Amino acid sequence: GDSVTQMEGPVTLSEEAFLTINCTYTATGYPSLFWYVQYPGEGLQLLLKATKADDKGSNKGFEATYRKETTSFHLEKGSVQVSDSAVYFCAPLITQGGSEKLVFGKGTKLTVNP
Amino acid sequence: NAGVTQTPKFQVLKTGQSMTLQCAQDMNHEYMSWYRQDPGMGLRLIHYSVGAGITDQGEVPNGYNVSRSTTEDFPLRLLSAAPSQTSVYFCASRRGSTGELFFGEGSRLTVL
Repeated sequence: GDSVTQMEGPVTLSEEAFLTINCTYTATGYPSLFWYVQYPGEGLQLLLKATKADDKGSNKGFEATYRKETTSFHLEKGSVQVSDSAVYFCAPLITQGGSEKLVFGKGTKLTVNP
Repeated sequence: NAGVTQTPKFQVLKTGQSMTLQCAQDMNHEYMSWYRQDPGMGLRLIHYSVGAGITDQGEVPNGYNVSRSTTEDFPLRLLSAAPSQTSVYFCASRRGSTGELFFGEGSRLTVL
């Protein structure tokens, strides 16, 4: 069935370090792909998305490219900040039972130290 | 802007008790859903609704009931709470099929 696998955490980095969080998925066809972020004590919010192959989503310095050949959507940021400390979720939008649903990965907790 | 509002934010129940988690959105979104978040499990879909009067089961529906009598409200009912239902519950909504979900702040439920 459809599923998503993302890099297990926790991930701890120093400020200004480079970040990669891997995400791969299995799905029928080419679903839209999303990264959501959850800051401490809050609900999830959309970080970025890509709707077709080779699209690059970007927001707040984060980027992810839709790679249909490798069914991947890895999240990257060139220089992380303490304020980026959060849990990150990869989520493909799959069609199931006639409706579209987001299927979330297990989340990767990022801690950025000053 | 209120967005998606969940109440209560915290609740402690005893096994066998019943309760309702409330969810309301003011964005006129057709789609509403309930997720539970457990450590190491990510978010799992409990129930969802594509419009007033229409509900369907998600990945983990057992032990939960929902109804959708209005576009704005989507309550989640636990008829007989069990310790396995200890979790953080999130309500989320979206317009159409764009995929961008708007989440509430969550309701932390503890069942003793």
